[in-house]
Amino acid sequence: DIVMTQSPLSLPVTPGEPASISCRSSQSLLHSNGYNYLDWYLQKPGQSPQLLIYLGSIRASGVPDRFSGSGSGTDFTLKISRVETEDVGIYYCMQALQALYSFGQGTKLEIK
Amino acid sequence: QVQLIESGGGVVQPGGSLRLSCAGSGFIFSAYNVHWVRQAPGKGLEWVAVISFDGSNKYYADSAKGRFTISRDNSKNTVYLQMNSLRGDDTAVYFCARDRHLDSWGQGTLVTVSS
Repeated sequence: DIVMTQSPLSLPVTPGEPASISCRSSQSLLHSNGYNYLDWYLQKPGQSPQLLIYLGSIRASGVPDRFSGSGSGTDFTLKISRVETEDVGIYYCMQALQALYSFGQGTKLEIK
Repeated sequence: QVQLIESGGGVVQPGGSLRLSCAGSGFIFSAYNVHWVRQAPGKGLEWVAVISFDGSNKYYADSAKGRFTISRDNSKNTVYLQMNSLRGDDTAVYFCARDRHLDSWGQGTLVTVSS
């Protein structure tokens, strides 16, 4: 099974400042088709999770362009160029390469 | 619009059974894989199971294998999760989500395993 590890687990950020979350997988998520099967989700307080980024770097429909995903193989990063108050919540990475999916522990983003 | 609605949660005693349902609308249900993901109180997300669009392939997390069964009825646009031999650590909100990249989620249904 693939183990996903996120850091940091807590991320206090001042509005307008950038933020970055790291996600590492225990095995490469690079498929033979050239895509990395790594997704990012945000769970806002009291809500269901929502897809932000899929295949490592593709923004889901309606996701603001201040969110970006990068990385390949086993190391991935989610970046928010300028944090807004509505970005508060818990961010999860998830591998979708193997049939048995797995999530990272989550990173709680809060406003300073 | 795409909608997934879970139902069937409740309070059940340890060792008991429960069947969850996930009803989809606003899209061609029979064309999509459907996943179950759970979240224990105050904890992170845990992937539970997936069923392929036609029901021919099913996969389970180790925590669910042998106790949970995922199935679907495309004529009713519904996926089910039959949960048997429930334990306290199965207490969680159970979400269903569609497609390989879980692009739409339901609101969740709470399962509480307690005597």
